[in-house]
Amino acid sequence: GIQVEQSPPDLILQEGANSTLRCNFSDSVNNLQWFHQNPWGQLINLFYIPSGTKQNGRLSATTVATERYSLLYISSSQTTDSGVYFCGNGNSGAGSYQLTFGKGTKLSVIP
Amino acid sequence: SQTIHQWPATLVQPVGSPLSLECTVEGTSNPNLYWYRQAAGRGLQLLFYSVGIGQISSEVPQNLSASRPQDRQFILSSKKLLLSDSGFYLCAWSRQGGTEAFFGQGTRLTVV
Repeated sequence: GIQVEQSPPDLILQEGANSTLRCNFSDSVNNLQWFHQNPWGQLINLFYIPSGTKQNGRLSATTVATERYSLLYISSSQTTDSGVYFCGNGNSGAGSYQLTFGKGTKLSVIP
Repeated sequence: SQTIHQWPATLVQPVGSPLSLECTVEGTSNPNLYWYRQAAGRGLQLLFYSVGIGQISSEVPQNLSASRPQDRQFILSSKKLLLSDSGFYLCAWSRQGGTEAFFGQGTRLTVV
């Protein structure tokens, strides 16, 4: 199956700094999602972005499907941005939609 | 709008005891349902998925089983828990033929 590699594994930022998180895929990108796992463990949907660029407030994401990678940009980071960020590639088959996740990037934003 | 509920939020169970985690989805019909596990090290692994009532597919052989007794209800079970079953369990749903998944709040299971 597809392999998903996320980088960096850990990131420490000063509040107000910008950051870029990356996902690389070993195979075709079909249905890419970015999630933020908050300190309580819940996975919050950030973006569904199989290709192109989307923006939502201080967050934006870009997927270049032909080159098999996706980027998540966080600008003017805040302490509430801390947590683990996951990307997942979704494959539809046998009527279901299954996500293969990377191992995540743990972001710590310090005041 | 659609919502997904998972309970309990936290569970501590002795080795050898049974397990039942429940997940329900509201606001949609005939969803695809999923159980994922997140062990130490942060990665999420798909355990089971279901495309309809009584239809369960297993991705990883293990000590767990899943059932879907109703359209919007998904249950994760075990007859006898092992220490290695400890972890964070997440239920998720997607639309039939959909391309986006949504997750519940998760259940943190500690087997002692």
